[in-house]
Amino acid sequence: RKEVEQDPGPFNVPEGATVAFNCTYSNSASQSFFWYRQDCRKEPKLLMSVYSSGNEDGRFTAQLNRASQYISLLIRDSKLSDSATYLCVVENSGYSTLTFGKGTMLLVSP
Amino acid sequence: GAGVSQSPSNKVTEKGKDVELRCDPISGHTALYWYRQSLGQGLEFLIYFQGNSAPDKSGLPSDRFSAERTGGSVSTLTIQRTQQEDSAVYLCASSLRGASSQNEQYFGPGTRLTVT
Repeated sequence: RKEVEQDPGPFNVPEGATVAFNCTYSNSASQSFFWYRQDCRKEPKLLMSVYSSGNEDGRFTAQLNRASQYISLLIRDSKLSDSATYLCVVENSGYSTLTFGKGTMLLVSP
Repeated sequence: GAGVSQSPSNKVTEKGKDVELRCDPISGHTALYWYRQSLGQGLEFLIYFQGNSAPDKSGLPSDRFSAERTGGSVSTLTIQRTQQEDSAVYLCASSLRGASSQNEQYFGPGTRLTVT
């Protein structure tokens, strides 16, 4: 099983739509989880950390399900500027390093 | 404040030459990471520095790759006898701490390496 697995997409949605991405991870001992976004030919940028109780930042909501070992990201009221690749990131427990998923591509159209 | 900086932004080199890539982390960040990303691929972990501890070199693909971090700040990634498969974007990231708390990583803009 891959350490961090994501549907590569692309997800094509119209402006204003709600879209959700899931990510599964294999290390049950992982404690830290993040979502990053990466624009084409740019570096990854931290979008949000994911907390056990779930957390929301404006139009973005992240959820963690430890029992099933998956993380989700919900984007409401999609904007054209949300078009990017979204990377699911999981801490390597005990190693202080992070494993990045290969990302899910989102394309928001007018 | 200033983010992570990397230089050069682009580097074209001939096969067999050595290259040095530089990373300046965010001031006060004790942890520094190197990754590489080939076209259309995910991030591949290379090496991790935490304070004065011995680096985690587990991701280095061959002994042609090495890295140093001087004075707990600037880091240099060296690739000796470059090969065409080394062509990629080399990304550096830093975090306040490498431990489970405060380990959000912030990336530099990367160095695009092309080996001809």
